[in-house]
Amino acid sequence: ETGVTQTPRHLVMGMTNKKSLKCEQHLGHNAMYWYKQSAKKPLELMFVYSLEERVENNSVPSRFSPECPNSSHLFLHLHTLQPEDSALYLCASSQDRTTGANVLTFGAGSRLTVL
Amino acid sequence: GQNIDQPTEMTATEGAIVQINCTYQTSGFNGLFWYQQHAGEAPTFLSYNVLDGLEEKGRFSSFLSRSKGYSYLLLKELQMKDSASYLCAVTDSNYQLIWGAGTKLIIKP
Repeated sequence: ETGVTQTPRHLVMGMTNKKSLKCEQHLGHNAMYWYKQSAKKPLELMFVYSLEERVENNSVPSRFSPECPNSSHLFLHLHTLQPEDSALYLCASSQDRTTGANVLTFGAGSRLTVL
Repeated sequence: GQNIDQPTEMTATEGAIVQINCTYQTSGFNGLFWYQQHAGEAPTFLSYNVLDGLEEKGRFSSFLSRSKGYSYLLLKELQMKDSASYLCAVTDSNYQLIWGAGTKLIIKP
């Protein structure tokens, strides 16, 4: 496989469930990102990992917990979410986050619904 | 604060030309991106402008004016497959990507 792959594509969970989103990139990129996409809102950056080290955490509630075991894999662990967390969660990767021309390659997203 | 403005929705006719505008106010500037996102799919990179002027890539062109904090994406010879959302994003002085809310483009036959 090539590009950025996200699983699952769709997830429905209750507020007391624990689930995880998975992202995998086969591009040899050094940086990986989690974004939240809600209707008619700008993409919200949640977390950034560079060479497996978390370099950004944009005031995300602790019910979202990222994990980056290696440069190709990124997880987002979900626990006791709220209905307002329902959104499309996009994973992305890039070669070098410290340049202006930092082109992101996105996965197709995981559509999360919290009941 | 940092802000990117683009129209929420636009409608155009197949075969026509459409221009999607983007204005920005950011802390510094290190380039402007346009991405295309079809419904239910990943955003994909269209263009990157860092210098003033027009960059042409097939049916798509992107223009930048840094002094005006303004860009546009021009789509020519519209096809039904161009129906998508178009996202404008700017890299600020800290290399943070600031995103607009996207413009949903509807193409009618």
